[in-house]
Amino acid sequence: QVQLQESGPGLVKPSGTLSLTCAVSGGSISDNNWWSWVRQPPGKGLEWIGEIFHSGSTTYTPSLKSRVTMSVDKSNNDFSLRMTSMTAADTAVYYCARKMTYAFDIWGQGTMVTVSS
Amino acid sequence: DIQMTQSPSSLSASVGDRVTITCRASQNINNYLNWYQQKAGKAPKSLIFAVSNLQSGVPSRFSGSGSGTDFTLTINNLQPEDFATYFCQQSYGSPRTFGRGTTVEIK
Repeated sequence: QVQLQESGPGLVKPSGTLSLTCAVSGGSISDNNWWSWVRQPPGKGLEWIGEIFHSGSTTYTPSLKSRVTMSVDKSNNDFSLRMTSMTAADTAVYYCARKMTYAFDIWGQGTMVTVSS
Repeated sequence: DIQMTQSPSSLSASVGDRVTITCRASQNINNYLNWYQQKAGKAPKSLIFAVSNLQSGVPSRFSGSGSGTDFTLTINNLQPEDFATYFCQQSYGSPRTFGRGTTVEIK
């Protein structure tokens, strides 16, 4: 079955750029579904960041749109998140997830990202 | 944005109880309502999609209902492994939005 695994640095400096990758195994990034990023600040709820289709089409949440870029790498069967101008408010567990027609049905284990100097 | 309001924010229950969690959307979201379970330190797990459809492997004691703006997650015969936080989420509009969560604690 499809599995997702996030990777990337656990520590980012204020004003720096976050780059995360989500590796897809057991399935193809070119399957007919969207690939998403969701984050969760410590002790808080879930916030959808955005999603990307294998064609490269993207949708981002408006509050982060100016800082976020998502991309797909078909050769590596993975997709990525890039977020600029990081602040302490961006400290969170970042999850990648597969979105089917309705729900985020498969999630990665999550990766903790701390913004600190 | 479509706001998702969950209630209660937390509840205490005993093994064997029936638990009901409600979720209200700020506008009609048709049947684009999903439920997730999250245990401490773990990723969310998809329980129910499109109001009432159980994901594969989810026990039948979980059920979902509702339409339009008002939805309910019911857990019958609460089991020890069900103590967790539950989130509703709408996928009708963008941005996708989640409720703030309901934590089910052991009484």
